[in-house]
Amino acid sequence: TQLLEQSPQFLSIQEGENLTVYCNSSSVFSSLQWYRQEPGEGPVLLVTVVTGGEVKKLKRLTFQFGDARKDSSLHITAAQPGDTGLYLCAGAGGKLIFGQGTELSVKP
Amino acid sequence: NAGVTQTPKFQVLKTGQSMTLQCAQDMNHEYMSWYRQDPGMGLRLIHYSVGAGITDQGEVPNGYNVSRSTTEDFPLRLLSAAPSQTSVYFCASSYSGSRGYEQYFGPGTRLTVT
Repeated sequence: TQLLEQSPQFLSIQEGENLTVYCNSSSVFSSLQWYRQEPGEGPVLLVTVVTGGEVKKLKRLTFQFGDARKDSSLHITAAQPGDTGLYLCAGAGGKLIFGQGTELSVKP
Repeated sequence: NAGVTQTPKFQVLKTGQSMTLQCAQDMNHEYMSWYRQDPGMGLRLIHYSVGAGITDQGEVPNGYNVSRSTTEDFPLRLLSAAPSQTSVYFCASSYSGSRGYEQYFGPGTRLTVT
């Protein structure tokens, strides 16, 4: 059974701090997706990484896919209250497998 | 485009009742899926469909039925509701391709079974 472990599960930081969220598995994925979910809404796709070692930037968010395509990270620089939400990673390998999510709270 | 729509937004059922959660998409996506979201457990796949007339089970299919008679619609039926089915349900659609079925989610249905 493929599993994706996200860490940390909860993160509460002050505005302006940097943070990293990790998504790890023992399985190889053909691609990995990151979603952001706000309360009362469905998840929204942020990015898909496909190639081992790939790095993608979305403004202050940097996404990296591990060389072996088993893990990924999301780094946020100078977090803002608008970054608050649930961040989910999902690995594609047959079916799409979701991690448990990281609940981020950024306080002003 | 409306994207993925779900109805109802909220629902309360008594144990043993049945109901259908509606889902529709207007993006002509081949793939549609139903997930449930529970605290600390991420999104778990209930059922999915790769096209009209084709459905298959996901990770947690027991107690749920689906059918796909058209590309646009993918209803989820709860046969006999149980308190363990209290959850938030999301429908999603996607197209196939090298990027691994990027999901477009609906707004969700919050279901409480008493």
